[in-house]
Amino acid sequence: LAKTTQPISMDSYEGQEVNITCSHNNIATNDYITWYQQFPSQGPRFIIQGYKTKVTNEVASLFIPADRKSSTLSLPRVSLSDTAVYYCLVGAPGDSNYQLIWGAGTKLIIKP
Amino acid sequence: GAVVSQHPSWVICKSGTSVKIECRSLDFQATTMFWYRQFPKQSLMLMATSNEGSKATYEQGVEKDKFLINHASLTLSTLTVTSAHPEDSSFYICSARPGLGLAEEWNIQYFGAGTRLSVL
Repeated sequence: LAKTTQPISMDSYEGQEVNITCSHNNIATNDYITWYQQFPSQGPRFIIQGYKTKVTNEVASLFIPADRKSSTLSLPRVSLSDTAVYYCLVGAPGDSNYQLIWGAGTKLIIKP
Repeated sequence: GAVVSQHPSWVICKSGTSVKIECRSLDFQATTMFWYRQFPKQSLMLMATSNEGSKATYEQGVEKDKFLINHASLTLSTLTVTSAHPEDSSFYICSARPGLGLAEEWNIQYFGAGTRLSVL
């Protein structure tokens, strides 16, 4: 079973900031949090990974509170091309199941 | 960097034939490759884990004689669907993980574009 819970779907509009929250109440000490994006009929694409506090790269930010029981993927100024399914995974590098158990993901729809 | 190529992207075959799907890591060596299956509007389901030079490890419920996996080099893994039937029609996706150490960046999966298999 996936160790994460995400909303099934979300809607937003072009130019808005979108925040997708993932719950992982049973996260272990060594677990990292990783987000992937998947477009229809394509393989997933790595977006961002973090352990605690805040991580930012050229496409997104990842906010992780001190208790690490949840995390929020923040997409700044979304466009129509950000419409996709977003997956949150947790696990520890070196674990045999690291990033291999995928939950249902969040279907994000961006409207004009 | 970190590009994974998967071919073919789409294949249609007759029932009873075999289909081979290739997965290549183009700019890194992949100590481990994974094969997933995805049905429409569903999440990814791991089929097997493949380590270079050793036998693949299959998930429960996946027939190893039907889904043959070969990982002959650090940059190539193949999945052969033997005697395909209509129920094998699905979207198959491979991923590769550099895994050169326990550092988190080496354990990110890089995915191929996927192969749509339609068995008539």
